[in-house]
Amino acid sequence: QKEVEQNSGPLSVPEGAIASLNCTYSDRVSQSFFWYRQYSGKSPELIMSIYSNGDKEDGRFTAQLNKASQYVSLLIRDSQPSDSATYLCAVNYGSGGYQKVTFGTGTKLQVIP
Amino acid sequence: KAGVTQTPRYLIKTRGQQVTLSCSPISGHRSVSWYQQTPGQGLQFLFEYFSETQRNKGNFPGRFSGRQFSNSRSEMNVSTLELGDSALYLCASRLDSNNEQFFGPGTRLTVL
Repeated sequence: QKEVEQNSGPLSVPEGAIASLNCTYSDRVSQSFFWYRQYSGKSPELIMSIYSNGDKEDGRFTAQLNKASQYVSLLIRDSQPSDSATYLCAVNYGSGGYQKVTFGTGTKLQVIP
Repeated sequence: KAGVTQTPRYLIKTRGQQVTLSCSPISGHRSVSWYQQTPGQGLQFLFEYFSETQRNKGNFPGRFSGRQFSNSRSEMNVSTLELGDSALYLCASRLDSNNEQFFGPGTRLTVL
């Protein structure tokens, strides 16, 4: 059973719309959650991290975490063609010397001009 | 502050050969993790090094090994290469007090 699940997409949204990317995870003790953006042929780039329940906003990006439902999402407002990329959800659990980060397989986002 | 660097960026090898990849973390980061990324499997964790010690290990065969030096630079070695080892190998570093990882540009390995 996969530990981090994402819909592979592609998710297509028109320019200016809100893109909603979702991720579920299986480990209830997970502590830290991350969203990475990966352009084709490039390495992942950290765009958001979230550690507690609720919303965290950074510019056009909002991360939402619901630990009870084991669900984390990323909203991108006013989507731009430059947002077209694969978005990876990453979940970290453990503490101190033993920590493991598991990545989802990513959701491909296409923003249509 | 300079980011994570990886060398070489591209490699072409043949089956049976071995390869060594290098990673220099962000200054001050002592944790270095290695990942393999393929279209079918996504990002798979190989191992993590901290203060020259392997701290965590993923589910890869013993052909995959690594080490870390006193300056936190890390190398990854793959012996007896197989066609299935063709992938993008990514290195990521982080502060031990923070779980945010920062990736290097990767090394694209092609095994023929």
